[in-house]
Amino acid sequence: EAEVAQSPRYKITEKSQAVAFWCDPISGHATLYWYRQILGQGPELLVQFQDESVVDDSQLPKDRFSAERLKGVDSTLKIQPAELGDSAMYLCASSLQSGTSWGGTQYFGPGTRLLVL
Amino acid sequence: QKEVEQNSGPLSVPEGAIASLNCTYSDQGSQSFFWYRQYSGKSPELIMFIYSNGDKEDGRFTAQLNKASQYVSLLIRDSQPSDSATYLCAVKDGVTGGGNKLTFGTGTQLKVEL
Repeated sequence: EAEVAQSPRYKITEKSQAVAFWCDPISGHATLYWYRQILGQGPELLVQFQDESVVDDSQLPKDRFSAERLKGVDSTLKIQPAELGDSAMYLCASSLQSGTSWGGTQYFGPGTRLLVL
Repeated sequence: QKEVEQNSGPLSVPEGAIASLNCTYSDQGSQSFFWYRQYSGKSPELIMFIYSNGDKEDGRFTAQLNKASQYVSLLIRDSQPSDSATYLCAVKDGVTGGGNKLTFGTGTQLKVEL
């Protein structure tokens, strides 16, 4: 069964350090999403890619976060410098491109749990 | 600000009972609605989606949608201890072809007791 792959699964870092997360979407899925989920809350969209282009990064803290999907397949999310408040689960999801109102079901990877000390 | 509201719970039901999870949303233009299950420390797992008013059944799960009331619910019949998890309601942006953006609620924690 096709799955979204993410690495690492866990990351512990000190504040002010740089961290990077990697995601490989389900094969054939043109749309890729990065979410942040703080404990006790629902996932919040950070950035959405359609192929290699950013569709929505309105909630991405651009002073410290960056994301890329250079070849339109896998993607990297980077935080530099990390802050204590960045401790959360970082989730990657993918979907087929869909122009219909009911399409584009998103499937999530296992996530990366980040702890900033 | 588009909002999706869920009661955080916990909702406790005995094994074998029907669990009813509710969700309201603010964007009248929302077109489709998703339920995800999330076990503690794990990522969300899709249960089902619905986009037409009425009921949609899949095994022990039934999603109900009432667009006029801006209300969507998930019923779980014959609840099992393995159903104990947080259930996330997600609403898709109503903008046509709007990039499939989902807004999530905070989730309802369900506990199925033996």
